[in-house]
Amino acid sequence: DIQMTQSPSSLSASVGDSVTISCRADQTITSYVNWYQQKPGKAPKLLISAASDLQSGVPSRFSGSGSGTDFTLTINGLQPEDFATYYCQQTFSTPPWTFGQGTKVDI
Amino acid sequence: EVQLVESGGGLEQPGRSLRLSCAASGVKFDECAMHWVRQVPGKGLEWVSGISWNGGSIAYAASVKGRFTISRDNTKNSVYLQMNSLTVEDTALYYCAKGGISAAGSGSLFYFYGLDVWGQGTTVTVSS
Repeated sequence: DIQMTQSPSSLSASVGDSVTISCRADQTITSYVNWYQQKPGKAPKLLISAASDLQSGVPSRFSGSGSGTDFTLTINGLQPEDFATYYCQQTFSTPPWTFGQGTKVDI
Repeated sequence: EVQLVESGGGLEQPGRSLRLSCAASGVKFDECAMHWVRQVPGKGLEWVSGISWNGGSIAYAASVKGRFTISRDNTKNSVYLQMNSLTVEDTALYYCAKGGISAAGSGSLFYFYGLDVWGQGTTVTVSS
């Protein structure tokens, strides 16, 4: 199974800050990484697919980068509605399509 | 608007069975791969199972293989998860999710780009 190691597990930030969340795969997954946002009591929401493709309707302050084994999610200019938990997931090749452990972004 | 609505969760004893359902609307269901993902309260996400558009490809997490069965009925725009031999470790919120675009073709289970639509989840509690 491909392991996804996400860091940090939590971070504190202020409105307007830029934050970066990292995700590392233990083997190459080309660009098959996706990023989700989950708010308390809600289902996850796909933000970015294929490492860097912003989903329709997602604000441009969100961006993703990376390929191979190392990936990042960046939020430029954190907004109040961005405080949530973020997960990476790899969807390369064969199952299981594993998630990272999650990063909680709070104030 | 694409919508997924799960049902069938509840309280069940260890060793017993439950069947979850997920009804889709607003999408060409027979062109979509579908997945189940679960989340223990306060914990992370765990992919559970997936099925291709026609049921020709099916996959399971090791933790449920041999106990859970995924199926679909394209005439009813629905996907199901039959959960047998339940254990307390199966206690979680179960989400149904639609597979995104696949590099391997429409509705393929493999090389897909994320889970782009999620239901609200249905809670399964396994306890004696």
